[in-house]
Amino acid sequence: NAGVTQTPKFRVLKTGQSMTLLCAQDMNHEYMYWYRQDPGMGLRLIHYSVGEGTTAKGEVPDGYNVSRLKKQNFLLGLESAAPSQTSVYFCASRKDGTGYYGYTFGSGTRLTVV
Amino acid sequence: KNQVEQSPQSLIILEGKNCTLQCNYTVSPFSNLRWYKQDTGRGPVSLTIMTFSENTKSNGRYTATLDADTKQSSLHITASQLSDSASYICVVSGLSGGSYIPTFGRGTSLIVHP
Repeated sequence: NAGVTQTPKFRVLKTGQSMTLLCAQDMNHEYMYWYRQDPGMGLRLIHYSVGEGTTAKGEVPDGYNVSRLKKQNFLLGLESAAPSQTSVYFCASRKDGTGYYGYTFGSGTRLTVV
Repeated sequence: KNQVEQSPQSLIILEGKNCTLQCNYTVSPFSNLRWYKQDTGRGPVSLTIMTFSENTKSNGRYTATLDADTKQSSLHITASQLSDSASYICVVSGLSGGSYIPTFGRGTSLIVHP
């Protein structure tokens, strides 16, 4: 049981380049999330999904897009990377939205935009 | 606005000593509170979950307490080990617009020295 797998683990982009971060979970969880973690800021929600084919904006959605075409995958896209998007990105999943079930986090993607 | 404040921001202790981390929140209505442990370069992992009716819960050397009246929680670590060096994140879930929305604290960074 792999849990939540994020790829890639590290990436360096030039300003203006695009990329997609992939998150895959094998626990049949309905809810999936993308967070970014910056020093001193804690985890901030970018986008989330409450089921296959659905997405919603979180606290800091600007500059990012997401898609959930399959239940097990949640993609995070950066269309035109900016240095302000240098961060560690975490994907998480949760069984449902009742609040009782905790998050299962991936191990993170460290992105540097130069 | 829902908020979760953690203290101290960072803490250094000697191996074998005990320590207590604090979490104050203003999330309402309250659903549950979780403590997560985040090792360097890894995603957070849940340590404990506490609901409104629970005031103490243990997980090995970790003991969490909850005072729902004062909206405070603490995480006590007994006989610390080098492997306890990590960031500890308090997450409080509340009900908003029919959904359970988690609010993350910024974490307490704990360093255990030999």
